[in-house]
Amino acid sequence: AQSVSQHNHHVILSEAASLELGCNYSYGGTVNLFWYVQYPGQHLQLLLKYFSGDPLVKGIKGFEAEFIKSKFSFNLRKPSVQWSDTAEYFCAVNAGNNRKLIWGLGTSLAVNP
Amino acid sequence: KAGVTQTPRYLIKTRGQQVTLSCSPISGHRSVSWYQQTPGQGLQFLFEYFSETQRNKGNFPGRFSGRQFSNSRSEMNVSTLELGDSALYLCASSPVEKGRDTQYFGPGTRLTVL
Repeated sequence: AQSVSQHNHHVILSEAASLELGCNYSYGGTVNLFWYVQYPGQHLQLLLKYFSGDPLVKGIKGFEAEFIKSKFSFNLRKPSVQWSDTAEYFCAVNAGNNRKLIWGLGTSLAVNP
Repeated sequence: KAGVTQTPRYLIKTRGQQVTLSCSPISGHRSVSWYQQTPGQGLQFLFEYFSETQRNKGNFPGRFSGRQFSNSRSEMNVSTLELGDSALYLCASSPVEKGRDTQYFGPGTRLTVL
């Protein structure tokens, strides 16, 4: 069965620090990969996605993620976080044309000003 | 375009009751998926509807059901509510244009079962 694991459940950073959130999935076939963000009191928003092509994808608000097929990973990065990045971050995967998303449990990020 | 809308936003029910939640997708989107979000289990897929047909189903009991109307609007129903059904129920729509597409989420319906 497909599964997604996010290694960090809670991360606390100071402003301007660099961020890397880990995401690994288990599925042997073609996958589509997503990072969503949920700001306090707001609904889930898409940060970035990977379907095919360049494994380094850029998203909104300066976020990027790298798909490493050999490691089944899709880690999220941002070189310098801001207080406004405080949110919950979710990694999600679906297989091929199947729209059923499998989710990691999320990482709660707190950025101190 | 207006985003995905869900009604009601908050709901309080008692055990044994049934509840119906509604979702209106983004205009032009033909697929609607439902997810349950809880602190312990995270986000779990309930089902997906496309062209009024259930295309995918998650591992939830038969008390959870849904349907989609010809205008792509969707409803989900939970019968015989249990305390463990307390959760945020999220609806997501996608355009279904190229097979691989992105899901856009609504604000959710917060269901509390007492």
